[in-house]
This record gives sequence, structure tokens and C-alpha cells, in this order.
Amino acid sequence: DTGVSQNPRHKITKRGQNVTFRCDPISEHNRLYWYRQTLGQGPEFLTYFQNEAQLEKSRLLSDRFSAERPKGSFSTLEIQRTEQGDSAMYLCASSASSYEQYFGPGTRLTVT
Amino acid sequence: EDQVTQSPEALRLQEGESSSLNCSYTVSGLRGLFWYRQDPGKGPEFLFTLYSAGEEKEKERLKATLTKKESFLHITAPKPEDSATYLCAVHYGGYQKVTFGIGTKLQVIP
Repeated sequence: DTGVSQNPRHKITKRGQNVTFRCDPISEHNRLYWYRQTLGQGPEFLTYFQNEAQLEKSRLLSDRFSAERPKGSFSTLEIQRTEQGDSAMYLCASSASSYEQYFGPGTRLTVT
Repeated sequence: EDQVTQSPEALRLQEGESSSLNCSYTVSGLRGLFWYRQDPGKGPEFLFTLYSAGEEKEKERLKATLTKKESFLHITAPKPEDSATYLCAVHYGGYQKVTFGIGTKLQVIP
């Protein structure tokens, strides 16, 4: 399978704990995006990487959120001191130069 | 304010009953409009990209069209397997991100 993969698929954590998600993009894609989606809403942009450089961040991305893409390959999204409002589906997408984004299956986060 | 609005929010069709979904946008400098399909619990699946007014794209029972202010996704003779949420998204201005609408939840009844 050469699509975008995300791990884990589901994560349940207690409020205040830190969590980290991983995204492996399509191998030839140099652009990588993170989105958050809550029930009944469309995906909301969080951040964007071109190769290893983080070029755009949403105001939604508080200082508890950090993302990395070392060596321009896989990416990680970390949420520190999780809150119940962080419960959502976290989606990763990748693209080449055309801006057509291909999404992974998402990581469902539940904060109890 | 830059916006992407989809209507209706939900649509229930009988199998074979053709219809259209609407995506209207108020953004400056449209660079691309995208349609995605999303099944419950899964990531969005790319369907189409439209770049300029008058452009049309087709795939099986789906046809997407674009004007200067809106896009339509026409579904011809839908089948139950077409049931999903259809998302519209726009890439505009100097941003790298795309902005999504909330989607239209389509249910096709046998």
C-alpha cells in the first residue's frame, strides 16, 4: 500500500497526559499537512511542511501542540497536557506540487 | 470574511434519483477547488480538482462543475454505495492550506 499511513489509529488518554501521533506520507510527496476534524465539521488546518520546513501554522495550534518532520519524510504531531477539547480525529495529508492532498485514515483521539 | 459554504447539510435520495450538491465560496484569488468523499471513521478520499470557471470533471456517476462563485457536484442515478459525506475545499490567495466546508451528508436509499 503506497498511501498515507497514520499511527496509532485510536488513542485514549487521560487529561493532562502527552500524546504523539505519526504520519508517513506518500513517498514522493514533499508537502505534508495536519488537520483536526470534529464530528459534523470539515477538517480544520493545523500546520504545513514543505520537506522538513514548517512553513505555515494555524492560530488553532496552541503552544501545547508541536509538529516535526525530520529529514522531510515522516512527521509527528505532539500534544502536551491534553485537554478534553482536544478530542478529535487528527488527519494527515500529503501532496506533490498540485495541491491535491491525499489523506491518511486519521488518528482518533479521546481525552477522558 | 473568507468562507466555504456547502448545501444542503444532508440529502436523502432514492436509488436512481439524480441531484446536485452545492459549494459556494467567498475567497479572493481562487487557485483550486477540490471535492472529497468521506466515509464514517475514515480520511477524506480525493475526487476532483477544478481550477477555473467553466471547467468540468467527471468520474463514474459524479460530475463536478465550477463557476466564479460556486461549484456543483452532480450525482447521476446514485446507488447506495454513493452514501457518504462530500466535502468541498478551496485553495486560495497566498496560503498553502486548503479551507474545507462542513460537507453534505448524502444517504442513498435502495
